Amino acid sequence: QKEVEQNSGPLSVPEGAIASLNCTYSDRGSQSFFWYRQYSGKSPELIMFIYSNGDKEDGRFTAQLNKASQYVSLLIRDSQPSDSATYLCAVGPRGNNRLAFGKGNQVVVIP
Amino acid sequence: EPEVTQTPSHQVTQMGQEVILRCVPISNHLYFYWYRQILGQKVEFLVSFYNNEISEKSEIFDDQFSVERPDGSNFTLKIRSTKLEDSAMYFCASSKDNGNQPQHFGDGTRLSIL
Repeated sequence: QKEVEQNSGPLSVPEGAIASLNCTYSDRGSQSFFWYRQYSGKSPELIMFIYSNGDKEDGRFTAQLNKASQYVSLLIRDSQPSDSATYLCAVGPRGNNRLAFGKGNQVVVIP
Repeated sequence: EPEVTQTPSHQVTQMGQEVILRCVPISNHLYFYWYRQILGQKVEFLVSFYNNEISEKSEIFDDQFSVERPDGSNFTLKIRSTKLEDSAMYFCASSKDNGNQPQHFGDGTRLSIL
């Protein structure tokens, strides 16, 4: 079983709409959860992190964590063309400090 | 805003040669990491480093790889005898502590093995 799964294909959203991304993880003991944005050919850029069940909002981004169901999601409100990128879900397992990454979800915001 | 810096941005090396990738972590961070990303694939953990020693390494990080903090600022990744499959983007990251603190990534070094 893969540690971190991001299964949906490229997501196309109109400018101004909400983009919704999901991620599941296998290690029930995971304690830290991150969303990184990666533009093509660039490095991962941290945009959100969440540690507790529930929602966390930062500007146009909202991260949602449900540890019982082992999923974490990211909502991007009022999507802008500059949001077009690949979004990487990363999970920090309990007891160590390596991050396990998903393959990423590509988001394309259509003007 | 403080950032992680990596040099060089692109390294081209003949197979079998040694290569050293360099990183300057954020100054008040204590934990340092190397990750790699083969083109079109996910980001993979290689090694974490704290207090001048490796704290964790993945199965990718075999005897060909080593890390070092030669002075108070630099953090290096050495690949002793490069193979074609070592071609990838190598990212250095740092964090204030382990576990919950976010890891911040440098811009990466693109390593091309010929």
